[in-house]
Amino acid sequence: GENVEQHPSTLSVQEGDSAVIKCTYSDSASNYFPWYKQELGKRPQLIIDIRSNVGEKKDQRIAVTLNKTAKHFSLHITETQPEDSAVYFCAASPNAGNMLTFGGGTRLMVKP
Amino acid sequence: GAGVSQSPSNKVTEKGKDVELRCDPISGHTALYWYRQSLGQGLEFLIYFQGNSAPDKSGLPSDRFSAERTGGSVSTLTIQRTQQEDSAVYLCASSLARSNPTYEQYFGPGTRLTVT
Repeated sequence: GENVEQHPSTLSVQEGDSAVIKCTYSDSASNYFPWYKQELGKRPQLIIDIRSNVGEKKDQRIAVTLNKTAKHFSLHITETQPEDSAVYFCAASPNAGNMLTFGGGTRLMVKP
Repeated sequence: GAGVSQSPSNKVTEKGKDVELRCDPISGHTALYWYRQSLGQGLEFLIYFQGNSAPDKSGLPSDRFSAERTGGSVSTLTIQRTQQEDSAVYLCASSLARSNPTYEQYFGPGTRLTVT
């Protein structure tokens, strides 16, 4: 089955700096890669996703890149703000609407 | 509109007892998923329902775990003879049909299960 590795497990940055979280996956059949943000005590919420037919996607301060050959994808957050502090999860799925395999999560702390 | 809802929000039970966790998906969502999140850990897939197809049970950790989805809507996750290692937050998610390009999974608030 699919295996998703996520690094780093914790990340501390100064407000205004950029943050990068990286994930690798094992199943070459995976073609959907969402990123979820989970604030303390709350449900995971989708912040951005990418499908295998594109290499990069951007939404304001958030961007995701995908390298299918190397089987890795990354989340980039620019101009970080304290409200970006949360746990971020990457995930992979072989088919649209199929179950997700999640990475272990990254706790991002943005210091004011 | 209403999001995914789950009940109860918290459940404390004694080891060996059975528990039932409920999930109400977003109206019109044909896919429903159960995940488990242990303290400080990632999300672990348990089971997946898609329309009238047979569920994908490949993530269930043991035969003490089972789930039903009645009428293509509400789902119940049952854990029999609970063990302390079952303590976790159980999250339900739903999404539109597989054929729909918008297949984001929307998560419920979870049920925090504590087995004493």
